[in-house]
Amino acid sequence: RKEVEQDPGPFNVPEGATVAFNCTYSNSASQSFFWYRQDCRKEPKLLMSVYSSGNEDGRFTAQLNRASQYISLLIRDSKLSDSATYLCVVNETGGGADGLTFGKGTHLIIQP
Amino acid sequence: GAVVSQHPSRVICKSGTSVKIECRSLDFQATTMFWYRQFPKQSLMLMATSNEGSKATYEQGVEKDKFLINHASLTLSTLTVTSAHPEDSSFYICSARDGRGHQTQYFGPGTRLLVL
Repeated sequence: RKEVEQDPGPFNVPEGATVAFNCTYSNSASQSFFWYRQDCRKEPKLLMSVYSSGNEDGRFTAQLNRASQYISLLIRDSKLSDSATYLCVVNETGGGADGLTFGKGTHLIIQP
Repeated sequence: GAVVSQHPSRVICKSGTSVKIECRSLDFQATTMFWYRQFPKQSLMLMATSNEGSKATYEQGVEKDKFLINHASLTLSTLTVTSAHPEDSSFYICSARDGRGHQTQYFGPGTRLLVL
């Protein structure tokens, strides 16, 4: 059974702080990895893909450790608008041919 | 970016009725679409993979006779929940795979189904 595990939180963090989320996946054959963001009662939206070399997009940095089957997301200088649920997502193939496997998400609350 | 629409956005129906949900890719062709379901405080769970012009592939535990999927064109897939029961109440979300570039999956806005 394919599984993606995340700490559900909630993480209560003051505005401007740095926060990190972790995620582990069970299928060592997984090929592609993503972080999605889901706001309350909305569909998930792609935040960023995660590459083996690590990648950064503005205040967001994602890391992948294939040996440990571990994915991380770092948010620097957090904003109130960053409050959401962050979903760790894994795909079995690199081309997106399969459905995605979602973690339950980590709930982040940025406090003023 | 690519846009996927779903209709209706929410539906309330009586137990025993059938409900059809449409998923459309608006500015790209999607040979593959996916249907997910999300119960409160749970993760999205893949229900089935919808392939244009062929039968859908269902995940283990999902009844194909209850959740009918039709992918008749490259821009439209439909999910019909037949003889809906209260336990079918959930948030149904489709995604469409853009065959160009990185083949990213784009999600529709979801359909909230409440069966009374």
